[in-house]
Amino acid sequence: NAGVTQTPKFQVLKTGQSMTLQCAQDMNHNSMYWYRQDPGMGLRLIYYSASEGTTDKGEVPNGYNVSRLNKREFSLRLESAAPSQTSVYFCASSVDGDYGYTFGSGTRLTVV
Amino acid sequence: KQEVTQIPAALSVPEGENLVLNCSFTDSAIYNLQWFRQDPGKGLTSLLLIQSSQREQTSGRLNASLDKSSGRSTLYIAASQPGDSATYLCACRFTSGTYKYIFGTGTRLKVLA
Repeated sequence: NAGVTQTPKFQVLKTGQSMTLQCAQDMNHNSMYWYRQDPGMGLRLIYYSASEGTTDKGEVPNGYNVSRLNKREFSLRLESAAPSQTSVYFCASSVDGDYGYTFGSGTRLTVV
Repeated sequence: KQEVTQIPAALSVPEGENLVLNCSFTDSAIYNLQWFRQDPGKGLTSLLLIQSSQREQTSGRLNASLDKSSGRSTLYIAASQPGDSATYLCACRFTSGTYKYIFGTGTRLKVLA
């Protein structure tokens, strides 16, 4: 099925460990995004990529890095995980900024 | 600070009732506004996108309105069904500021059969 695929769906990390969240879309969308969703906080933008080869910081970028590997793939890396990064992470893509916004099913990350 | 607020946080209604979900935003200079639906354990699904020049958008039983001057948007759901049970989020893209969408925290809707 066409859409946004995120891996893994669940992950438990120890404080200080690193990991990469993978995201791929097959809709030929230009823009891709990483959000985190926390109870009572809503979704907050971590990083986004308006087009292949470009990335920009969002509202809460500290502690994260991203790579737009090609038009399809946009990965999010936690270099040294902290308990404050326990959250549900969503990847999304869109045709041209705002249209066709499509979200993945999320990665539930727990840092202990 | 640009903020998006949704009240109430939760709402229960009997099946068949027409209902209105509210979204308010602090900056009237918006570029557009989207309404999303989120089912438990799932990602978000875009329902309606309203550009700043539009007053409303309709899709099936859903109608979203936009009043920039008052900083409000509403999502009207006609003849609600149990399948409409989900969390509904609104998100604003403002004309100023660095970031893309600012999301509200959502209204969790339960339609009782």
